[in-house]
Amino acid sequence: AQSVAQPEDQVNVAEGNPLTVKCTYSVSGNPYLFWYVQYPNRGLQFLLKYITGDNLVKGSYGFEAEFNKSQTSFHLKKPSALVSDSALYFCAVRDRSNYQLIWGAGTKLIIKP
Amino acid sequence: DTAVSQTPKYLVTQMGNDKSIKCEQNLGHDTMYWYKQDSKKFLKIMFSYNNKELIINETVPNRFSPKSPDKAHLNLHINSLELGDSAVYFCASSQDKSKAYEQYFGPGTRLTVT
Repeated sequence: AQSVAQPEDQVNVAEGNPLTVKCTYSVSGNPYLFWYVQYPNRGLQFLLKYITGDNLVKGSYGFEAEFNKSQTSFHLKKPSALVSDSALYFCAVRDRSNYQLIWGAGTKLIIKP
Repeated sequence: DTAVSQTPKYLVTQMGNDKSIKCEQNLGHDTMYWYKQDSKKFLKIMFSYNNKELIINETVPNRFSPKSPDKAHLNLHINSLELGDSAVYFCASSQDKSKAYEQYFGPGTRLTVT
């Protein structure tokens, strides 16, 4: 069965430090992978996606993610965190054999000044 | 020039009532979705339409009925509202159902059933 795991409910990082939000997945075949961000009382916003090609994907707001096929992971990263990055982050995966998106449970990212 | 819009933004109603939420997208996308986000922020797909055709119909009570009059609109009607229906409902759209296109979300409708 397809699944997405975000093992951390919350990640705390000091402003200026690098951040990582973890995501692992389980699908049959090659996946499409996505990261979205949700700010308080807002809808989700697309950050970045992996379709094919370079394993390191760059997205909005200075975020990037690395696709690791052997570890079935797609961790979200940013070299230097900002307080404004504090939000809820969702990882999602789509099996290429169908069109349904499977969502992780979300990770709350808190950046402290 | 909002890409995906929903109305109303807030909806407070009593148990047993019937209500509708409207969604419109001006992106020219073929596919639209309804999601429910519960109090723990878990996101659950409810329905998806592609060019007015229902393509995803998850296990939701049949009190929920989506309607797509055209590919730019996807409305959600809820009959006999229950306390457990209280949640934030998000509409989203994507360019196509079968490609790796990202989804664009509306601002959400916060439904409170009392």
